[in-house]
Amino acid sequence: DAGITQSPRHKVTETGTPVTLRCHQTENHRYMYWYRQDPGHGLRLIHYSYGVKDTDKGEVSDGYSVSRSKTEDFLLTLESATSSQTSVYFCAISALGLDSYNEQFFGPGTRLTVL
Amino acid sequence: GQQVMQIPQYQHVQEGEDFTTYCNSSTTLSNIQWYKQRPGGHPVFLIQLVKSGEVKKQKRLTFQFGEAKKNSSLHITATQTTDVGTYFCAGGNTNAGKSTFGDGTTLTVKP
Repeated sequence: DAGITQSPRHKVTETGTPVTLRCHQTENHRYMYWYRQDPGHGLRLIHYSYGVKDTDKGEVSDGYSVSRSKTEDFLLTLESATSSQTSVYFCAISALGLDSYNEQFFGPGTRLTVL
Repeated sequence: GQQVMQIPQYQHVQEGEDFTTYCNSSTTLSNIQWYKQRPGGHPVFLIQLVKSGEVKKQKRLTFQFGEAKKNSSLHITATQTTDVGTYFCAGGNTNAGKSTFGDGTTLTVKP
């Protein structure tokens, strides 16, 4: 498996509180992604980054913000958590070179519960 | 925006039977990837297809990319209990840096 870790692995929080999830990679890959996975919806892209301080929105970005100050770290922040953000969150990385195209390697996931 | 549809959503088979999942995109793709996610696990990259009409095999798994690069399929011959999981396709555009995932097909195998 690629060197990707996520922290925390599990979190329970209350509605209205801020939450930050961390993704850390040791592969020096340029691209990093945050997805959420919910039953019946597969994997939906929240935000992604194509370099340090370069980020863009995905299809479900409302209520989420991201930051990438170093190549190896990509942070996902829920400014004020809501129950609809209860989900499993996956981080992924990609080299996206000429030979690697879009193949992505996923972290172990963070299970977030918002009460 | 780009949409990727995957069917069926669920498939239950007897061990030894074959299994196929289909992926269809609303737009022409540059490439397509397939992933497998075991229950409780994370998606794991299986393969990538980039050429029109491409066919690739991995043991009992056969992957195809359509001539128009808008559809793909994954076929498993003689399923085993180790094949259990959810299979996702993801359609990508080379320069966009991101892929759109289908909702997945969940395979269960009865011994």
